[in-house]
Amino acid sequence: DTGVSQNPRHKITKRGQNVTFRCDPISEHNRLYWYRQTLGQGPEFLTYFQNEAQLEKSRLLSDRFSAERPKGSFSTLEIQRTEQGDSAMYLCASSPEYRVDYGYTFGSGTRLTVV
Amino acid sequence: EDQVTQSPEALRLQEGESSSLNCSYTVSGLRGLFWYRQDPGKGPEFLFTLYSAGEEKEKERLKATLTKKESFLHITAPKPEDSATYLCAVAGNNRKLIWGLGTSLAVNP
Repeated sequence: DTGVSQNPRHKITKRGQNVTFRCDPISEHNRLYWYRQTLGQGPEFLTYFQNEAQLEKSRLLSDRFSAERPKGSFSTLEIQRTEQGDSAMYLCASSPEYRVDYGYTFGSGTRLTVV
Repeated sequence: EDQVTQSPEALRLQEGESSSLNCSYTVSGLRGLFWYRQDPGKGPEFLFTLYSAGEEKEKERLKATLTKKESFLHITAPKPEDSATYLCAVAGNNRKLIWGLGTSLAVNP
């Protein structure tokens, strides 16, 4: 297992276009999290899944954002009608369950630039 | 309100010059305090979890300690490869991670 994988690593898109990111978590981890991070800030929580169920969504997640995790494996995050303010690093993390001593394993992120 | 404050925002050290990073927190029912390291353009890398006051954990040149109000990340004889942003996060009763803004550490050779 090579850890949490995110694709693409970088995405440049024009304002108004739709984009989709993919996250492949560690295979035995049943929890998957999406975060957004801008320069000089800590990660901001967006949403998380336990298996295929989306259990929580942040109020930061507008109607233009949607996330899925079909079959409880990989996850996708889609942003519709992108805006310049969506430019950020989108991070995916996974954990086996809520075990405080395990922490989360993060992927390398997808850097989105909206021009 | 749950909150995490890290200080200093940035720290520059000479190789071998030991120092400490601070993470002050307020949270309802601490479930765990996490330290992560983040290199530019990469996701955070898990370092430690602490979950009770008085606990300490070590990894190579890093040692994390925890009190009821704050945590310290002590860096002993740092090397240039320790340069990174160090992030602190806490999980409380609501099981959400609350993140600090990080301390950017630069170690000069």
